[in-house]
This record gives sequence, structure tokens and C-alpha cells, in this order.
Amino acid sequence: GQNIDQPTEMTATEGAIVQINCTYQTSGFNGLFWYQQHAGEAPTFLSYNVLDGLEEKGRFSSFLSRSKGYSYLLLKELQMKDSASYLCAVPLSGGYNKLIFGAGTRLAVHP
Amino acid sequence: EAQVTQNPRYLITVTGKKLTVTCSQNMNHEYMSWYRQDPGLGLRQIYYSMNVEVTDKGDVPEGYKVSRKEKRNFPLILESPSPNQTSLYFCASSLSPSTDTQYFGPGTRLTVL
Repeated sequence: GQNIDQPTEMTATEGAIVQINCTYQTSGFNGLFWYQQHAGEAPTFLSYNVLDGLEEKGRFSSFLSRSKGYSYLLLKELQMKDSASYLCAVPLSGGYNKLIFGAGTRLAVHP
Repeated sequence: EAQVTQNPRYLITVTGKKLTVTCSQNMNHEYMSWYRQDPGLGLRQIYYSMNVEVTDKGDVPEGYKVSRKEKRNFPLILESPSPNQTSLYFCASSLSPSTDTQYFGPGTRLTVL
């Protein structure tokens, strides 16, 4: 089966750096997505990793280690508007056409 | 503008009264899906569709129906809503579920009394 684990909540200070971890267990691997979701709004795409390593996109970076079943999202120079939930998602392997989401990490950024 | 639209955005109804939540996308995506989101449980897939007239169950399909008669539309039908279907619902579309970005609609907040 597939399982995705993320911390439930995190807090950080404006201007700081925060790392949100995601561990997954899959029988195969087709990549890993990160989405951002502000309260009451739709999730929006942040990143997609299919190869090992770090991918940087402005203040946000995403890292993947396929051998460890581990990914993290790194947010730099935190801003108040980064307060949101961050969802890790993995496509289900074995020919299924589904995307499995973690429960999400709720990040609160304080002044 | 590329978008996924859902209607209604908010709905309060009573147990047993059939309702339909519409979903439409203008990106010519083949893949569409419905999710529900509940506190602590994250997004759970209800149904998905790979193309016109091709639908399949997700993880929590009980109590729901869908149809895909046209590529752009993917309505969610609750034949006899119950209070445990009170939730936030999202429709999403993409070119493929595995490697492409999911575009989400704005959400429908449903309350069943």
C-alpha cells in the first residue's frame, strides 16, 4: 500500500527558514508533488520531483531522496503570507490513476 | 484564463435531498477528479475520470455518483446526502494524474443537516 507522513503543525518566525518533511512508502515511485493551500482555498502547485536532489524555485526549494522515501520543502525568508498548509502527494503506482495526498502540514508564520 | 469552476460554492441542505455539484474545466484536460477534505484527514479522492465516459472509484466513493458525458464537465451527485457528507469538496483536472500539475477548483463547502 501507500502511506504518506507529514508533521501536523509547525511554527516559524518571519524572515526565518523552515523545512517541512514528508516520508512516503510506495511499491513503486512516479514522483512527488508539493502543494500549498491557504485556509479555505484550493491547493496550488509548488513543485514536482522525480529525480534525487534539490530543486530550487525562488524562495521555495524541494528535495527528494528516493532511496530513503523522503522529501522536504524548504521555505526561505519566510513571509506572513506563507502561513498555509503544505501538502505532500504521491501518484499511486501499479497502473492506478490516482494521486495520494498526505494530511498536510499547517505552517504558522509569526512576526 | 485557464481555470476549473465549481458551483455552488456554498450549500446547506437537509438529509436525503438530492444535490449536484457542477465542475467544469477549460484546459481540455482528460483527467478529472473529485476530492473531499476533512480536518486531520487531508484530501481524499472520491471518483476520477480518465476521459469521456470513463470513470472509476477513488478511496471514498460511497454515497456519491459522477458522470463524464463531455470532456469539460464532471458533476458530482449526492443522491441522498447524509450528515457525514458534510465536507469541503474540490474538483481537479490535469493532463495526467501521475506527472502533471493538478488544477483545483475553488471548492464547495457542503453542510448536510
